[in-house]
Amino acid sequence: SQTIHQWPATLVQPVGSPLSLECTVEGTSNPNLYWYRQAAGRGLQLLFYSVGIGQISSEVPQNLSASRPQDRQFILSSKKLLLSDSGFYLCAWSKAVEQFFGPGTRLTVL
Amino acid sequence: AQSVSQHNHHVILSEAASLELGCNYSYGGTVNLFWYVQYPGQHLQLLLKYFSGDPLVKGIKGFEAEFIKSKFSFNLRKPSVQWSDTAEYFCAVNVYSSASKIIFGSGTRLSIRP
Repeated sequence: SQTIHQWPATLVQPVGSPLSLECTVEGTSNPNLYWYRQAAGRGLQLLFYSVGIGQISSEVPQNLSASRPQDRQFILSSKKLLLSDSGFYLCAWSKAVEQFFGPGTRLTVL
Repeated sequence: AQSVSQHNHHVILSEAASLELGCNYSYGGTVNLFWYVQYPGQHLQLLLKYFSGDPLVKGIKGFEAEFIKSKFSFNLRKPSVQWSDTAEYFCAVNVYSSASKIIFGSGTRLSIRP
């Protein structure tokens, strides 16, 4: 069966520091991969998605970037964090339409 | 651009009450529709989905949803809620022109009084 991992589970970082969040999927190949940010009362905002290695689509202009160095690995990064980057970040995968979500990373920028 | 609206941000009910959570989407073409649920401290998980066929779909834990194309709606229902239904519920839509993307609503927090 397929599983999706995210780490770290929680992260506290100072403003201006770099960020790297990792997501990996097991039990499937060539999945579509997604990064979402979940804010209270605002639902899930799609940040990036990828349909293959090295292929990244950005949904909103922001301080973040994404990369897919391997088929089942998706990384969310920032060179310099802003206070507004605080939130709950979810990774998801799909093979068709239905998406399956990871446990998420709670990021607090101080 | 496509969007999904969930009308209720926070719903509070007593156990055994009936539930209906509203969801409307804006897109005139063919869509796939979903309800996801996030229980406290757990992953976001699929509650039910509509792709085609019978517009009344049944999901896990006694939930159902009805797709009404003329109203662009996909409301979630449950005849008798339980305390364990306390969670956040998200409506979502996928449009055929963007097969890889799902657009989520802002979510409805459901609190059940025991």
